[in-house]
Parts: sequence; C-alpha cells; structure tokens
Amino acid sequence: QVQLQESGPGLVKSSETLSLTCTVSGGSISGYYWSWIRQPPGRGLEWIAYIHSTGSANYNPSLKSRVSISVDTSKDQFSLKVGSVTAADTALYYCARHVFLGSYHYHFMDVWGKGTTVTVSS
Amino acid sequence: EIVLTQSPDALSLSPGEGATLSCRASQSVGSNYLAWYQQKRGQPPRLLIYGASSRATGIPDRFSGSGSGTDFTLTISRLEPEDFAVYFCQQYVGSPFTFGGGTKVEIK
Repeated sequence: QVQLQESGPGLVKSSETLSLTCTVSGGSISGYYWSWIRQPPGRGLEWIAYIHSTGSANYNPSLKSRVSISVDTSKDQFSLKVGSVTAADTALYYCARHVFLGSYHYHFMDVWGKGTTVTVSS
Repeated sequence: EIVLTQSPDALSLSPGEGATLSCRASQSVGSNYLAWYQQKRGQPPRLLIYGASSRATGIPDRFSGSGSGTDFTLTISRLEPEDFAVYFCQQYVGSPFTFGGGTKVEIK
C-alpha cells in the first residue's frame, strides 16, 4: 500500500526558503497528481500546490508568487519550496495523493503523509 | 475562490447519539465535487466521503453524506468512541481547492 513520507528542516529562519520533500513508497509516483497541504497550529487546512508526475503543476494564487513544486520520478519524490518565509508559514505540512478513479483524476486526497512541522524563526 | 463554511464549530455529544454536520459553499460545487475528512489529534486527515455521498474504502456505513449545489451534510448515525474528532469538508470543483474550517465532535 502506498505510503508518503515528508522530510525537511523543522526550523527555517524568517525571509529564507523552506524546502520539503515527499517520498512515495509502496507504489509509483507515475500517473497521479500529488499535493502539498498545510495546517497552521490549531487551525484548518490550506491547499498549497499540486503536481502531476508529468510535471504539470498548479498553485494556490495566495502563495503562487513564493512557491515552487517539482517532481523527480526517478526517485519517486516530489518537492516544495516556499520563499521569503514569515511566521505565517509556520505549520504542519502534509503531502498527499489525489484520487484516480474510473479512469478519471479527481482533486481530493486518499493517501496522506503523517506531516512534518515547520517553524519559522525570527 | 470558493469559501466553505462549516457549522457548528463544535458539537458535544454522547456515544450512541447521532451527529449532523453542515458545510455550505459560497458558490455551487458543480456535480457534487465535495469531500469529507476526519482528523484525529496528531494524525493526518482521513478521507471519509467523496462526490458528496460516496463512502471511501473501509469507511463504516454509519457515516453518510448528502447534499448538492451549495449545501452539504455529513451524518454520523451512532457515534462510536473512535468518531470523536474534527471533520473537514473540501471542494474540488476548481482551483484553488479549499477546505472548511472544521467541526469538532467532542464527548459530552
């Protein structure tokens, strides 16, 4: 069964770039859409961006100017970069797989990583 | 951007009781492109319902979803101890995909 594991530094300094990687195991990254979603402490969920294994990407306009998502199919990994971080970027960051059902892709998520906490320090 | 408003913010109930959670969208989510997730403390969200009313694999039939257009409901027929958690709705009709603020179902 497919499992996702987020990795990256837990502490990032304000104004620097946050970099995270999601490793897919138990299955292939190919043929699916993959997202990054974050959850600030005690708050709700915010979708950040998705990427298809072919490299096609889409971003949340609220973050688009600072965010980049990429995929490395040879390693079954996809990655997120968030530039110019502030305290508002402190959150639990999840990677997740979009559903492929009946020959269609849907943009809800059926497999999630456990999440990685990122704290932005001043 | 479609804004999803969940109500109530919290629900205090006893095991065995039923729960009704609401999710209202600021505009139509088309052919019911609405999902529900359950999140327990310290865990990632777990997909419960998609397409407004289809249960995900392995989800017990005490969970049901209904609604269309802009008004959706998640119903838990008889609360089990493991059902006390936070529930989020999500629309996927269009980008940016958005989530509701969540409803916490807590033990009375």
